[in-house]
Amino acid sequence: GIQVEQSPPDLILQEGANSTLRCNFSDSVNNLQWFHQNPWGQLINLFYIPSGTKQNGRLSATTVATERYSLLYISSSQTTDSGVYFCAVGNTGTASKLTFGTGTRLQVTL
Amino acid sequence: SQTIHQWPATLVQPVGSPLSLECTVEGTSNPNLYWYRQAAGRGLQLLFYSVGIGQISSEVPQNLSASRPQDRQFILSSKKLLLSDSGFYLCAWSRLTGGEVHFGNGTRLTVT
Repeated sequence: GIQVEQSPPDLILQEGANSTLRCNFSDSVNNLQWFHQNPWGQLINLFYIPSGTKQNGRLSATTVATERYSLLYISSSQTTDSGVYFCAVGNTGTASKLTFGTGTRLQVTL
Repeated sequence: SQTIHQWPATLVQPVGSPLSLECTVEGTSNPNLYWYRQAAGRGLQLLFYSVGIGQISSEVPQNLSASRPQDRQFILSSKKLLLSDSGFYLCAWSRLTGGEVHFGNGTRLTVT
């Protein structure tokens, strides 16, 4: 099956700093999504981004499908950004079956 | 707008007891439905998915089963729980043609 690697595994930032999270995947995909899991376990869909670039406030994501990687940018980080960021990939047929990476655990400190 | 409800939020069950976790989606029709499990706080694993009533696909052989008795209802069950069934179980949905996946708040199951 598809392998998904995320880096770095852990990241500590001071509030206001910027960061880049990376997701590499081992095979062609047409479905790539980024999620944020908050400290209470809630998983929030940040981006559906099989290719190209999208922005949502302080977050943006870029996927280069031909080179099998995606990047999540967090600018001007806030303590509420803390949690685990997951990249998930798949090939959309009749269902969005996703393979998840092991995540990047982000801690934003004051 | 669409919402997904999952309950209970936490559950402690003895080994050998049965399990039933329920998930319902509101505000959409014919969704794809999914059950994922997360162990040790990292990495979600797809357990089951369903593209329609009564249609269940299993991704990982295990002690669990799933059912979809109604269009927007998805149930995860076990006849006899094992210690290894402990974990965080999340229900999710997407539109029939694929696309964004949205998760419920999850059930934290502890088997003792």
